[in-house]
Amino acid sequence: DIQMTQSPSSLSASVRDRVTITCRASQSLSSYLNWYQQKPGKAPKLLIYAASNLQSGVPSRFSGSGSGTDFTLTISSLQPEDFATYYCQQSHSTPWTFGQGTKVEIK
Amino acid sequence: EVQLVQPGAELKKPGESLKISCKTSGYTFTNYWIGWVRQMPGKGLEWMGIIYPGDSDTMYSPSFQGQVTISVDKSINTAYLQWSSLKASDTAIYYCARGFGVEKVLDYWGQGTLVTVSS
Repeated sequence: DIQMTQSPSSLSASVRDRVTITCRASQSLSSYLNWYQQKPGKAPKLLIYAASNLQSGVPSRFSGSGSGTDFTLTISSLQPEDFATYYCQQSHSTPWTFGQGTKVEIK
Repeated sequence: EVQLVQPGAELKKPGESLKISCKTSGYTFTNYWIGWVRQMPGKGLEWMGIIYPGDSDTMYSPSFQGQVTISVDKSINTAYLQWSSLKASDTAIYYCARGFGVEKVLDYWGQGTLVTVSS
C-alpha cells in the first residue's frame, strides 16, 4: 500500500493567516492526489482533486500544488469557517489511502 | 441536486449481521462509482472499497477484503455495505461517497452511519 504522511499533525493559526499543509507519498503518485476538509460531526468535503484542481463551489483561497511524492495544500487567508481537519488521499493505485490528517485550530 | 442518504445509526450485538444502505439521487447511478470509507472513533479516514453500479465491478482494500461485502441495487439507485458477523471493533462511522473520473475522486458524500457494536 502507498503510505501517506501529512505534516504537521496539528497547527494553531489566526484568522487571515496563510496556512500550508504538506503531504508526502511513499511512492510517486503523478498528480493523483486529493484534499478533503472535515469538520466535527460532518462528512468530509472534497476541496482539491488531481493535485491542483479546485472543486466546484470551493473558495479560491484554497489551492493545491505538487506532483510525484510531495504535495501542498495552501489556505491563503484563513477564515473562521476553515478551522477543521484536512486529509490528503491518493488515488493512484488501490487501495486508495489517506493521510493521518492535519487539525487546524484557532490560535 | 446530488444526494447520498444514509441511515443515522445502527446498534448491534457482536456476531449479528448488518446491511447499511446509501440511497442516491440527482444523477445517473450507473455512471459513477460508489466508495465506502470508515472512520473509527476519534480517528482518521480509511478507504474500504468501491463499486461501479453499471457492471458491479468491485475493488476492496486488503484490510477489508473478506470482512465486508459491497453491493448495489440498480433498480432503486442504492448501494450497500454489509457484515455477516459483527465485532466490537467494527464500531465506527461509515460513509458512502460518489466517485468520479478515472481516479474515482470522492466528490459527494453521505452523512455517515454510526454503527455501534456492543453486548
